[in-house]
Amino acid sequence: DAKTTQPTSMDCAEGRAANLPCNHSTISGNEYVYWYRQIHSQGPQYIIHGLKNNETNEMASLIITEDRKSSTLILPHATLRDTAVYYCIVRVAMPNTGNQFYFGTGTSLTVIP
Amino acid sequence: NAGVTQTPKFRILKIGQSMTLQCTQDMNHNYMYWYRQDPGMGLKLIYYSVGAGITDKGEVPNGYNVSRSTTEDFPLRLELAAPSQTSVYFCASSYLGTGYGYTFGSGTRLTVV
Repeated sequence: DAKTTQPTSMDCAEGRAANLPCNHSTISGNEYVYWYRQIHSQGPQYIIHGLKNNETNEMASLIITEDRKSSTLILPHATLRDTAVYYCIVRVAMPNTGNQFYFGTGTSLTVIP
Repeated sequence: NAGVTQTPKFRILKIGQSMTLQCTQDMNHNYMYWYRQDPGMGLKLIYYSVGAGITDKGEVPNGYNVSRSTTEDFPLRLELAAPSQTSVYFCASSYLGTGYGYTFGSGTRLTVV
């Protein structure tokens, strides 16, 4: 299983872009990069995922390097409600057994007023 | 559309007692998962199911059992509760498991004393 490495914590000023890095140097060619976040003790919330190309949705943008060994989640205009733990996950796709997500300890993002 | 519903939200067990954590989803998802999250840690996969009648072990299955008699329900059974099982338990579901993220429940906070 491809592992991910994320900084333990980060701060971001409210209204600024939050850039959360993730290293996944052992990722396989058919493995996707997913991002989730967990606010307080709630269930994790899906943010975005991608394979090779950069992706954007209403919540965030995902930038994946050309060699796919790292990625960056961008929250374009961070708000206080974006304070959460952010998980970068590489999806292990196992035929006939479903996709198992392996969550690490993530990055604790604090948005500062 | 309720999504993934977990009951109970909180429970205190004595050592050696047993209980069942309930999980129901109304999205017709075929994949369902149970995770546990210890304080300050990421989520660890306990068991998963790719459809009714099919279950398999995740990273940390010892001390737990599951069943999947219907598409909607995926209960987690704790036999002979131990303090090491004090944790927050999250149930999740996904459709087909390819290219889709998980939908998580709100969690069950279990304390074994």
